[in-house]
Amino acid sequence: EVQLVESGGGLVKPGGSLRLSCAASGFTFSSYSMNWVRQAPGKGLEWVSSISSSSSYIYYADSVKGRFTISRDNAKNSLYLQMNSLRAEDTAVYYCAGTATGLIFDPWGQGTLVTVSS
Amino acid sequence: EIVLTQSPATLSLSPGERATLSCRASQSVSSYLAWYQQKPGQAPRLLIYDASNRATGIPARFSGSGSGTDFTLTISSLEPEDFAVYYCQQRKTFGQGTKVEIK
Repeated sequence: EVQLVESGGGLVKPGGSLRLSCAASGFTFSSYSMNWVRQAPGKGLEWVSSISSSSSYIYYADSVKGRFTISRDNAKNSLYLQMNSLRAEDTAVYYCAGTATGLIFDPWGQGTLVTVSS
Repeated sequence: EIVLTQSPATLSLSPGERATLSCRASQSVSSYLAWYQQKPGQAPRLLIYDASNRATGIPARFSGSGSGTDFTLTISSLEPEDFAVYYCQQRKTFGQGTKVEIK
């Protein structure tokens, strides 16, 4: 069964840091580009970051550039998002999603909630 | 940067009715457009990719059409489980979503 499981979310104060993880199983993780997509409470979907299968290409949304770092470990079938200098507007459910071709997001994890509040 | 505009924002329909959702791109995206379904408390699910190709396991009542700047997602006969929010997506850009609710 194809599965992505996120972890690491929680409550953090403004200016704080958090590291999200996404564990993959049931598919060839090393062949997929991977992505983080977030959804603020009651809002739509926002792409955050992408990393190619071999980590050669990395992209960030302007809203997180310089604060977030995406990485992966193909030996561990895992994706990460290091989030620093967190702001209230980063509060959202963060989903990891795979991309086999193009920039089509499939599969998706169940999401992990990040709340930035004092 | 491409902007995707979905309409209507909300569609109120009854089970068995036909749903037609629109997504308009600010510039041509060829056929590189996908549709996702999201139910409350769940992750999005890929329905359609490359404008008209159904993803694995997606029922035939879902169909996509269009190219260039105008795209349509059609649900031929709404089932109770189809009431959800639908998003179009092109590369790093998502539309704002269309909520299909029970009338």
